[in-house]
Amino acid sequence: KAGVTQTPRYLIKTRGQQVTLSCSPISGHRSVSWYQQTPGQGLQFLFEYFSETQRNKGNFPGRFSGRQFSNSRSEMNVSTLELGDSALYLCASTYDPYNSPLHFGNGTRLTVT
Amino acid sequence: SQQGEEDPQALSIQEGENATMNCSYKTSINNLQWYRQNSGRGLVHLILIRSNEREKHSGRLRVTLDTSKKSSSLLITASRAADTASYFCATPNDMRFGAGTRLTVKP
Repeated sequence: KAGVTQTPRYLIKTRGQQVTLSCSPISGHRSVSWYQQTPGQGLQFLFEYFSETQRNKGNFPGRFSGRQFSNSRSEMNVSTLELGDSALYLCASTYDPYNSPLHFGNGTRLTVT
Repeated sequence: SQQGEEDPQALSIQEGENATMNCSYKTSINNLQWYRQNSGRGLVHLILIRSNEREKHSGRLRVTLDTSKKSSSLLITASRAADTASYFCATPNDMRFGAGTRLTVKP
């Protein structure tokens, strides 16, 4: 069974640009959640999607958005990039985020210059 | 704020020693989970303990849960250099992770 796939693996962008990250969950998983990981703030929850609906959202500005497609694949978008957005962005999928383990991808390393 | 908070933030031990990490949380939970992360990679699920369980084992891992104190501990016995990683607790109710414990096992 293929794991969670995140693309691209690395990304370098300039301040003010926007970026789209992609996540393909494990087959059969309808829940996809996104996390931002930085050395200073640790793992911060961004949002969770289930069957194309955003069910939960963390405390991030509106520049951070996401969506989920009918095949459960998910994308997150960050507009008007800031230096502080440099981070490892992790995606995780699961059957049930409240009662089952999360399966993580290896992340997208975003660097904003 | 983070739901799960690990303690200590960093731990350095010799191979063969045991490593204990603690986690505290603030609200009620259905279950608590522990994850491991090798540098720059995704997290890997280690163990899930439900709120009605007090202790759970998986290989060299032992997890305890005290819901009255809102705390959990992860014990790794007979540690190996390959156990070097960051360890996180997570409370799925609000999808929050703690800051993690960075474990270094010296050969």
